[in-house]
Amino acid sequence: GQQLNQSPQSMFIQEGEDVSMNCTSSSIFNTWLWYKQEPGEGPVLLIALYKAGELTSNGRLTAQFGITRKDSFLNISASIPSDVGIYFCAGQLSGSQGNLIFGKGTKLSVKP
Amino acid sequence: SQTIHQWPATLVQPVGSPLSLECTVEGTSNPNLYWYRQAAGRGLQLLFYSVGIGQISSEVPQNLSASRPQDRQFILSSKKLLLSDSGFYLCAWSAPFGTQYFGPGTRLLVL
Repeated sequence: GQQLNQSPQSMFIQEGEDVSMNCTSSSIFNTWLWYKQEPGEGPVLLIALYKAGELTSNGRLTAQFGITRKDSFLNISASIPSDVGIYFCAGQLSGSQGNLIFGKGTKLSVKP
Repeated sequence: SQTIHQWPATLVQPVGSPLSLECTVEGTSNPNLYWYRQAAGRGLQLLFYSVGIGQISSEVPQNLSASRPQDRQFILSSKKLLLSDSGFYLCAWSAPFGTQYFGPGTRLLVL
């Protein structure tokens, strides 16, 4: 089946540093989504991308839909302690009835 | 605005006991509904999805089942729980072909 390769698996950074994570696949997606999950809670949607090449920002977060439609990245600038959590990418295939394929997540730890 | 609820928030059940987890959505009609399981805080596994009342698609064969008795209600059930059923269960909704939004989750511990 289709898979999303999300990297890195985990990151330990200092407060104030920038963060970058990405997802790649051999399949073509028509939507890319980025979620953040904090311990004991459901994932919360951060950014949704619907067009190849699209670059979207949400505060200190920026995400891009790769031009080949097979990849996406998420950047966090000037990280703060509340950025801690697991970040998931998810892709939606054409004709999939809305079903998503998820990456395995990037666990972010921020040291004050 | 739309909201999604799950209950209970936490559940501890003995092996072999039945299970019923409930998910309800407010503020929308005819949503797609999804059940996921997440083990050890990583990776979401799609269990079931539904595009309408009484319509259930299973992604992973196992001892769990799902039902959708009403438009905005989705239930996850089991007749006999296994130890391996422990995990964090998430319900999500979307408009048809739309973005998925998750509920707060139910933590299930089978002992």
